[in-house]
Parts: sequence; structure tokens; C-alpha cells
Amino acid sequence: DVKVTQSSRYLVKRTGEKVFLECVQDMDHENMFWYRQDPGLGLRLIYFSYDVKMKEKGDIPEGYSVSREKKERFSLILESASTNQTSMYLCASSLTQGRGYTFGSGTRLTVV
Amino acid sequence: RKEVEQDPGPFNVPEGATVAFNCTYSNSASQSFFWYRQDCRKEPKLLMSVYSSGNEDGRFTAQLNRASQYISLLIRDSRLSDSATYLCVVKGDFNKFYFGSGTKLNVKP
Repeated sequence: DVKVTQSSRYLVKRTGEKVFLECVQDMDHENMFWYRQDPGLGLRLIYFSYDVKMKEKGDIPEGYSVSREKKERFSLILESASTNQTSMYLCASSLTQGRGYTFGSGTRLTVV
Repeated sequence: RKEVEQDPGPFNVPEGATVAFNCTYSNSASQSFFWYRQDCRKEPKLLMSVYSSGNEDGRFTAQLNRASQYISLLIRDSRLSDSATYLCVVKGDFNKFYFGSGTKLNVKP
């Protein structure tokens, strides 16, 4: 089975801190994605990448950046964390010709 | 307008009941459709793909109506373990997946 691993399950950070969320997949998937999930709003796409060093903005990229230096790793960066970035962050990966995503177990980030 | 819309529920049904969820999508060019299941405080997991001719996997049946741009999921003989949130998913350009907000199902004894 494809495994998508997110480095932290729970994180608490202070307003203004720079935050790194790491995601690693082990099945050579081309595509990787970062979503945030909030009650009543569902999953919203922040950024995605379809190749190393490639990145595309999703629907809500403001306040975030990403890095994909290696195929297996896709990092989400909060340049200056704010309380409205408190959320569940989900990383996913997929094959270009595949059917469906595989998700990591999520990182619940609280910004205080 | 949202890409994918679902009734948030909750649907409260007794064990053994049959329950159906619908979802509508806005992009008529969409080609791939899925249902995901998400348990409380867990990540979404693929339940089943939805094929044009409709498909069945045990107690679960998925159907696609392209003309009306909706997808349905039917669960027969509901079990307590079916309690979860069911997410409708539509694949767009660049392998982007658009998720509905989910329909919550509570199966009661």
C-alpha cells in the first residue's frame, strides 16, 4: 500500500512563527497536494505539485508556500502563522493516471 | 458556485436501513468520480470509484447521471460501522480533486 506520512499529528505554534509541515510518500507518485479541512467548509486545496520543483496554487494559497525538492517530499510552509490558519492539514498523493488520492493521517495545527 | 455540493446531513438511520446520498457537480467535462469515507478525526479514505454504467461493491452501489450532473451512493443493510462522513469527489484538470463538504451518516442500533 502507498504510504503518505505527515511528520506531526498535532502541533501548537504561536502567532507569527514560521511553520513547516512535512509530507513524504513512498510510491513514486508524481502528484502531491496540500489541503486544509475546516468544519462546514470541507477540504480546500492550498497548493499542489505535479513534478519536482513544480508547484501550482490551489484555491486558498494566501499565507502559504510550498517546496518540492525531491519527488517523495512536499512541504507546506506557513511564513507567519496566524490564528485563522488553525486547521487540520491533509497531504495527499496520486499517480497522474491513477484513480484517487491517498491521504496522510493529517496534522492538526493550532495557532495561539 | 461550489464545484461539488452535498447535503451535509446528518442522516440518522436504524441498523439494517437503506440510505442514499446524492451530490451534484458543476463541471460537465469532469471524467472521474469517487466516494470517500472519513471517520471522525481521521483522514479520508477511498471507498469506491464511480463508473458511468454504475457499480456495486457489496452493500454499496454508486451511480453517475451525467445529464443531470449528479452522483449517488446507496448503502443497503446499514451497519453501525458505516457511521462516518461520506465525501463526494470529482477529478478536475491537473489531477486536482474537488471535494464536497461531506454527508454525515449516523447508524443507530
